[in-house]
Amino acid sequence: QVQLLESGPGLVKPSETLSLTCIVSGGSISTYYWTWIRQPPGKGLEWIGYFYYTGNTNYNPSLRDRVTISLDSSKNQFSLRLNSVTAADTAVYYCARRITRPEAFDIWGQGTLVTVSS
Amino acid sequence: AIQMTQSPSSLSASVGDRVTITCRASQDIRNDLGWYQQKPGKAPNLLIYGASRLHSGVPSRFSGSGSGTDFTLTISSLQPEDFATYYCLQDYNYPLTFGGGTKVEIK
Repeated sequence: QVQLLESGPGLVKPSETLSLTCIVSGGSISTYYWTWIRQPPGKGLEWIGYFYYTGNTNYNPSLRDRVTISLDSSKNQFSLRLNSVTAADTAVYYCARRITRPEAFDIWGQGTLVTVSS
Repeated sequence: AIQMTQSPSSLSASVGDRVTITCRASQDIRNDLGWYQQKPGKAPNLLIYGASRLHSGVPSRFSGSGSGTDFTLTISSLQPEDFATYYCLQDYNYPLTFGGGTKVEIK
């Protein structure tokens, strides 16, 4: 049973960098699209981007200039970095596994709240 | 980016009711649409993929239909555990985009 678990600081200061890690347990991180999705408090879901096991990445254009997703196969984990954060980046951040054929997010982490505040 | 418009944004229903949620895409997305259920404080869970295919373990009272730009999620007989927020997601192209959500509340 594959499980995902996010970790990282729950509070980040404005203009600093948000860094989160998602540990994949119960299965290999090879294959699939490893994805980050966020949800501001009381609002809807926003796709941030993915790291594909081949090394390809794809980011939401609304965040592209500030976001980096990386993967460490030796640790079976992938990470999110979001630079120059503002209060608008306050959200619950989810990591998720995206499968293909069919296309779907079949496994999600529990989510972690990151608040941007001084 | 493809815009996904869900309606209604919320609804009140009773146990046993038939519930229908719609999602409209701003362009043709074939059948590249999924439906997700989210309960308070929890991550979303996959219900439907490919517009109409039930994910493993999801009760058969859930069904999806549609193609092109108009899609529907139907709960044939609402159960207490179905009170949640439902989101559609277009898988057709990047950036992937979600609908705004439909909150299903107890009447």
